[in-house]
Amino acid sequence: SAVISQKPSRDICQRGTSLTIQCQVDSQVTMMFWYRQQPGQSLTLIATANQGSEATYESGFVIDKFPISRPNLTFSTLTVSNMSPEDSSIYLCSVEGRGRTDTQYFGPGTRLTVL
Amino acid sequence: ILNVEQSPQSLHVQEGDSTNFTCSFPSSNFYALHWYRWETAKSPEALFVMTLNGDEKKKGRISATLNTKEGYSYLYIKGSQPEDSATYLCAFTSNSGYALNFGKGTSLLVTP
Repeated sequence: SAVISQKPSRDICQRGTSLTIQCQVDSQVTMMFWYRQQPGQSLTLIATANQGSEATYESGFVIDKFPISRPNLTFSTLTVSNMSPEDSSIYLCSVEGRGRTDTQYFGPGTRLTVL
Repeated sequence: ILNVEQSPQSLHVQEGDSTNFTCSFPSSNFYALHWYRWETAKSPEALFVMTLNGDEKKKGRISATLNTKEGYSYLYIKGSQPEDSATYLCAFTSNSGYALNFGKGTSLLVTP
């Protein structure tokens, strides 16, 4: 299994500002994923971050709003840009397991509140 | 959008009670069904990954079954303990990629 840490664990931000969330893994992984859970909703995939290429975004998510970096095989960042109260969510990163029939391993999440 | 439905939304049981939750998912393009246990401020913890119709998996007092033809999975907890209190999530992956499509979860509270 992989051990994943995220920073910050929580933050309260003003609308119009941006927040960058960091995700660190204790081993090298090819695929990293960013999810969010809005209040009362399901965990939803934002994008897949691969090292050496641009992130792949799911429908409804765009790079200008959620820019992602993946500088190496153990680290990724997600920025939530120009925040509004609708961005208040828990943001989680995850990594692939040993294959598609293995589980994905998740970080502890970043709880974001936008005022 | 791949709809994954979980029921009940929340459940409150007494210590020692056994309980079960349901997850329904699209039966077409099925690849795998995942169950996670998520406590507040912690990482979601993987419980099971199931791929074959009829799969049954067990981990201590927790077990799960899978029916891919009709598109449902059950999670059972035998003799619930207060430490079982958490949100239980199921997620479905299709043949088209790695994305986990989650349900909204079942929130379980076990009181002594």
